[in-house]
Amino acid sequence: DQQVKQNSPSLSVQEGRISILNCDYTNSMFDYFLWYKKYPAEGPTFLISISSIKDKNEDGRFTVFLNKSAKHLSLHIVPSQPGDSAVYFCAAEANFGNEKLTFGTGTRLTIIP
Amino acid sequence: DTGVSQDPRHKITKRGQNVTFRCDPISEHNRLYWYRQTLGQGPEFLTYFQNEAQLEKSRLLSDRFSAERPKGSFSTLEIQRTEQGDSAMYLCASSLSAGKGQFFGPGTRLTVL
Repeated sequence: DQQVKQNSPSLSVQEGRISILNCDYTNSMFDYFLWYKKYPAEGPTFLISISSIKDKNEDGRFTVFLNKSAKHLSLHIVPSQPGDSAVYFCAAEANFGNEKLTFGTGTRLTIIP
Repeated sequence: DTGVSQDPRHKITKRGQNVTFRCDPISEHNRLYWYRQTLGQGPEFLTYFQNEAQLEKSRLLSDRFSAERPKGSFSTLEIQRTEQGDSAMYLCASSLSAGKGQFFGPGTRLTVL
């Protein structure tokens, strides 16, 4: 039972354009969401998070949007840069503070120069 | 380097052998987590510690898996009587407090022959 779903295994975007990565979840108890980036041979790197009391959080080139009614969140990267090429994981936590993250299967983003 | 470190980075073992992995968290982080990641999947939560207390271990995959954090600093994950299905990347993460994001180490890749 995949509670966090990333339905696009891969995405290619031209440098300078916007990258949009999507994530859907099924567990209505999730109330905290995170995005991680992973390069080969490294562990995931925390990027940005959002609490369910918000619908948007922005940090530099990265913005996360949360639509609770649709159980959907997205990560926008603008402008996209070659160093953004990596696998992106969406993660969720139920009952903020219980610290058991549930991850999606990841989306491989490739930025085309 | 003040990030999370894991040792060894790679481990090849024969089926039936015991293996132990070590994780050193970021020094001021009192929370430590273990995850497993198999090919094409996101990290899967196994267990976590707050200081030396193991607060969640129900997700450990079987009784062959055990984890310790004896002095609230480094942690070890042991797998007894390894099976080929245990082949995976084992990731450790640490955090300062809930909601601050978990910071991952590079992982230990286990191959069971």
